[in-house]
Amino acid sequence: GAVVSQHPSRVICKSGTSVKIECRSLDFQATTMFWYRQFPKQSLMLMATSNEGSKATYEQGVEKDKFLINHASLTLSTLTVTSAHPEDSSFYICSARPGTGGPYSNQPQHFGDGTRLSIL
Amino acid sequence: AQSVTQLDSHVSVSEGTPVLLRCNYSSSYSPSLFWYVQHPNKGLQLLLKYTSAATLVKGINGFEAEFKKSETSFHLTKPSAHMSDAAEYFCVVSDRNNAGNMLTFGGGTRLMVKP
Repeated sequence: GAVVSQHPSRVICKSGTSVKIECRSLDFQATTMFWYRQFPKQSLMLMATSNEGSKATYEQGVEKDKFLINHASLTLSTLTVTSAHPEDSSFYICSARPGTGGPYSNQPQHFGDGTRLSIL
Repeated sequence: AQSVTQLDSHVSVSEGTPVLLRCNYSSSYSPSLFWYVQHPNKGLQLLLKYTSAATLVKGINGFEAEFKKSETSFHLTKPSAHMSDAAEYFCVVSDRNNAGNMLTFGGGTRLMVKP
């Protein structure tokens, strides 16, 4: 089946550090990728939609200068948490939607394993 | 607009007994409906999906769900729970007319399985 690889799985760093999270679709092309944030014992909250070759679309209340998204290729999107602070600590999950014409076209989003970010 | 309500935040069953996780949805268009499972510190795995074909959908690991339009429900069931089924389950809706294929998540149901 379609595989989405998210890296790193765990990050612990000091306040003020910028952290980059990568999301790769390994066996399909994804014109659209999504970034979610999940607080403990809560559901997933969509942060932004990332489209290859264009600017990301951010959900209301999400600071685009804080959470930089780059979708430079059909298989890679990155989320950079800039100058991270303890309140940014969370579980971040990406997903990728297969493009049309491929073996997984018309399938729903496929999720990475998530990144646990802890800011000290 | 679309929304999903998972009626129970926690469900506890004994191993070998049936599982029922309830989900109600609202959608302006013909919906696609999904159930995902999340194990601790992991991403989401698709259990099953409904996209307008048969209303009774069979998924992986013995799970199935029935789409009932009249009740706007898509409850998840399994005849016999296994210890490995303990996890968080999310009911998800997507409007099929939405070209962006945006997903709306329910609040999640934590399934606990007692030995």
